[in-house]
Amino acid sequence: AQRVTQPEKLLSVFKGAPVELKCNYSYSGSPELFWYVQYSRQRLQLLLRHISRESIKGFTADLNKGETSFHLKKPFAQEEDSAMYYCALSGDRGSTLGRLYFGRGTQLTVWP
Amino acid sequence: GAGVSQSPSNKVTEKGKDVELRCDPISGHTALYWYRQSLGQGLEFLIYFQGNSAPDKSGLPSDRFSAERTGGSVSTLTIQRTQQEDSAVYLCASSLGPQRYGYTFGSGTRLTVV
Repeated sequence: AQRVTQPEKLLSVFKGAPVELKCNYSYSGSPELFWYVQYSRQRLQLLLRHISRESIKGFTADLNKGETSFHLKKPFAQEEDSAMYYCALSGDRGSTLGRLYFGRGTQLTVWP
Repeated sequence: GAGVSQSPSNKVTEKGKDVELRCDPISGHTALYWYRQSLGQGLEFLIYFQGNSAPDKSGLPSDRFSAERTGGSVSTLTIQRTQQEDSAVYLCASSLGPQRYGYTFGSGTRLTVV
């Protein structure tokens, strides 16, 4: 069965420090992986998806199929990065196609 | 429309009453999803509509929950005989289809059952 695990419920770093939000997944096929972000009092929005190989707001994420991980990284955290981050997976077949399976989220706090 | 619109933004209801939550997806988006967001529980899938296909209702927590989508556009999530454990933020999202491009979310309806 498909599953997304975010082991850290809370993560705190100081401004300028590197940050890594962990995400591990379980899926037997070829998944599509996403990171979503929710800033305080705002709607959930797409941050990046692995197929695009893009960098948004300085964040990157690499899909590691061997370790079944999709960790989100930023070399120098900023205060405005404080938010709830969700890792999500979409499957490649049947009922899993197009449907997103979310982790429980990691609340990132960046201290000044 | 420009984005996914949900109404009402907040709803307080008495235990045992029925509530209806509305979602207006982005024009042209054939896929529509309902999720529930609770503290500590993350995002819980409820139901998924794709075009004219039968909806995937596998996430609905009980038969008190139902949803419909009229004309392939607006969707209504109905909760009958509300319970306190139904209190949560109900999120709607839409996408162009099952192409795995990610969703656009609405701002949600915060439901409080007292």
